Amino acid sequence: EPEVTQTPSHQVTQMGQEVILRCVPISNHLYFYWYRQILGQKVEFLVSFYNNEISEKSEIFDDQFSVERPDGSNFTLKIRSTKLEDSAMYFCASSAAGMENIQYFGAGTRLSVL
Amino acid sequence: AQKVTQAQTEISVVEKEDVTLDCVYETRDTTYYLFWYKQPPSGELVFLIRRNSFDEQNEISGRYSWNFQKSTSSFNFTITASQVVDSAVYFCALSEAPNRDDKIIFGKGTRLHILP
Repeated sequence: EPEVTQTPSHQVTQMGQEVILRCVPISNHLYFYWYRQILGQKVEFLVSFYNNEISEKSEIFDDQFSVERPDGSNFTLKIRSTKLEDSAMYFCASSAAGMENIQYFGAGTRLSVL
Repeated sequence: AQKVTQAQTEISVVEKEDVTLDCVYETRDTTYYLFWYKQPPSGELVFLIRRNSFDEQNEISGRYSWNFQKSTSSFNFTITASQVVDSAVYFCALSEAPNRDDKIIFGKGTRLHILP
């Protein structure tokens, strides 16, 4: 069964460092998303991406964040200068055209900022 | 504004008991989708169900059933004959449907413990 794949499963970084979280969406999907979940809290929307541009972003998604689909298969989330409060689980999701709003999630990347 | 409320933070039941997880939502739109996702201890988010706002039929899938009532803006989830493997955090969620790439708004989740 096709699935969304995220790497790494756990990323540890020092405050102020840049991190790139990687996702491989389901192959025929066209809509891509990032969400985050601070430990013990709810899942929050960060950004949606379609046709090589951002469709919508939340207040959380400030200038420190960027997304890219560099090669037609990967979908990345970059945090330019990590802060302690960026520590969270980051989920990538994708959905197919014609299957409105069924977003399938990856297993997540746990980001720990020290 | 969109909002999903899961008033039950944590529930514990003994195996084989039935349990209902409550979900109340708010939206200004007449067209929307409601979801339930399961997050087991391993951390991934597992899609369970999506319900269109125009379809108020209740749904049953094995031991899982969902009760959608627009009149009370509720979308409750019942597990019958619960099993230890049902232990997880369950999230109710909402998406307003006009655009195909609408974000999903999650509730805070209900942590369900099934005790052997």
